[in-house]
Amino acid sequence: KAGVTQTPRYLIKTRGQQVTLSCSPISGHRSVSWYQQTPGQGLQFLFEYFSETQRNKGNFPGRFSGRQFSNSRSEMNVSTLELGDSALYLCASSLPSGAHTDTQYFGPGTRLTVL
Amino acid sequence: AQKITQTQPGMFVQEKEAVTLDCTYDTSDQSYGLFWYKQPSSGEMIFLIYQGSYDEQNATEGRYSLNFQKARKSANLVISASQLGDSAMYFCAMREGGTGGFKTIFGAGTRLFVKA
Repeated sequence: KAGVTQTPRYLIKTRGQQVTLSCSPISGHRSVSWYQQTPGQGLQFLFEYFSETQRNKGNFPGRFSGRQFSNSRSEMNVSTLELGDSALYLCASSLPSGAHTDTQYFGPGTRLTVL
Repeated sequence: AQKITQTQPGMFVQEKEAVTLDCTYDTSDQSYGLFWYKQPSSGEMIFLIYQGSYDEQNATEGRYSLNFQKARKSANLVISASQLGDSAMYFCAMREGGTGGFKTIFGAGTRLFVKA
């Protein structure tokens, strides 16, 4: 079974631009979560989607948004990019069962650099 | 308040020896899940082991075991017979939430160096 895939793997943007990152979960997985990883802040939860609905959201500004499609694929959008948005963005999928037992499987990440 | 604490920024271990990576957590929930992930230099997060809050026995997965002490709120990862390929960042994580949704919170990580 194929793992979680993320595209693109690397991205360079300039301040003020916007960016869209894509995540395809493991087949059959219906839950997708996004995380931002930076050297200073570590791994921070962005949001979680299940059946096209955002179930939970981390403490990020409204410039960060996402959505999930009927095939469970998810996209994340960051508008008006800032230098501090440079990070590794990780997507994780899981097969919701008892929720606390849901193991999340991560994709390889998208490394975003904002110049 | 920090919910996952990993107090060892870096650890060294000799190849073939065992090593324990510490993790303490804080939550008021009764139901939660504890996870350990490995992140090599390539960046991908690899799931290692899971422990549920109601599990009475410590979880084991091959060379990995989780030393779960609920009263002390600790979930230490033990790697037996370390290998050079075990050199990586290791993250402890807790999944909590309820009907309003769930989220996974990660610790700052411990970088493990395995010496030949």
